[in-house]
Amino acid sequence: ETGVTQTPRHLVMGMTNKKSLKCEQHLGHNAMYWYKQSAKKPLELMFVYSLEERVENNSVPSRFSPECPNSSHLFLHLHTLQPEDSALYLCASSQGISGQGFQYFGAGTRLSVL
Amino acid sequence: LAKTTQPISMDSYEGQEVNITCSHNNIATNDYITWYQQFPSQGPRFIIQGYKTKVTNEVASLFIPADRKSSTLSLPRVSLSDTAVYYCLVGELGGATNKLIFGTGTLLAVQP
Repeated sequence: ETGVTQTPRHLVMGMTNKKSLKCEQHLGHNAMYWYKQSAKKPLELMFVYSLEERVENNSVPSRFSPECPNSSHLFLHLHTLQPEDSALYLCASSQGISGQGFQYFGAGTRLSVL
Repeated sequence: LAKTTQPISMDSYEGQEVNITCSHNNIATNDYITWYQQFPSQGPRFIIQGYKTKVTNEVASLFIPADRKSSTLSLPRVSLSDTAVYYCLVGELGGATNKLIFGTGTLLAVQP
């Protein structure tokens, strides 16, 4: 248990569905991240939130919509996904976004798009 | 952005010491060197972080030469449960201008 909880752990959805991934951190951190990890590929940084403000969007398609209502919660809203979006989606948190420090990761949500 | 290069895979046996080296020729003055461990279908887990010289914790040691263009993660007496992918990251934490990039990592396979 790393202090970062992701739900659901597994999700299967059709291309026309709308679903949301949830991440909650219990570490008192002020920064949160979404990563995508496809099979046999490196982790790809998707979004970074610092103090509930989005500070990074790595050219992610608009069918992925993040939301950070407070410093403890992060959501990734999904709609009209494509089969190539099937991957492990990882949430992470950290204290600050600069200088020394490291990220705590959740266990991820395994997403399958049919 | 500091790019890292590490071996794709390594094999070892239980009880041996394993050293994984990462090259980062373009490391910047403000960059830290961080290593993570990842098991299948789990998120990466922080192992160790350093800036220069040597750092040791209860899990591993990190050796960084004076020029900081490389670093070596040392795992003492590995066990089967140490089989995982190990990532070397160089940079400042997150942020809009300094992105921590996870490469392909090193798949360490520990055999009995």
